[in-house]
Amino acid sequence: GQNIDQPTEMTATEGAIVQINCTYQTSGFNGLFWYQQHAGEAPTFLSYNVLDGLEEKGRFSSFLSRSKGYSYLLLKELQMKDSASYLCAEQTGANNLFFGTGTRLTVIP
Amino acid sequence: ETGVTQTPRHLVMGMTNKKSLKCEQHLGHNAMYWYKQSAKKPLELMFVYNFKEQTENNSVPSRFSPECPNSSHLFLHLHTLQPEDSALYLCASSQDWRTDGEKLFFGSGTQLSVL
Repeated sequence: GQNIDQPTEMTATEGAIVQINCTYQTSGFNGLFWYQQHAGEAPTFLSYNVLDGLEEKGRFSSFLSRSKGYSYLLLKELQMKDSASYLCAEQTGANNLFFGTGTRLTVIP
Repeated sequence: ETGVTQTPRHLVMGMTNKKSLKCEQHLGHNAMYWYKQSAKKPLELMFVYNFKEQTENNSVPSRFSPECPNSSHLFLHLHTLQPEDSALYLCASSQDWRTDGEKLFFGSGTQLSVL
């Protein structure tokens, strides 16, 4: 594996901003994915970063620092429907994809 | 709706049973995958098929036997499973296999319980 590390659980308030961090081993790095998985549902693609910097998609943004082996997912204007698990995954050479254990986010009123 | 359909959604089986999980994708993709998702563990890749040919087998025990009759269908045949095999089994597809940034489309999974 690639020692993908992300917090197990987080709680945030509706309307707030939350940042979910992910660290990974830099050797063989080819890209970093974020997926969202609601309970009992399929994981769905959120973002892909291969270059340093911030990629913004509406309320969700993803950041990458390749030299630090670090990424974060930023969720703004939180809604109750954002309660889900967020999976960080590192792509290495030959299209290997290593997932973290996921961060379960609970949004409270 | 992700375009990837898995059946059944839930399955309870004894250790001596034989059952099969089915996956179908309606996206015209060429690669299909089986993943295992256990509580508090990362998603584990089990098998990869690209253009119906198996390209990856991540040291999966022989009690799990995949079958890919065409690019749209993938099966996972189960026999003599162990209780520790209880998990959510996810099927996924992608346009191609060896492409950087290729995103996966997942099915909702089969929640398997082995008694």
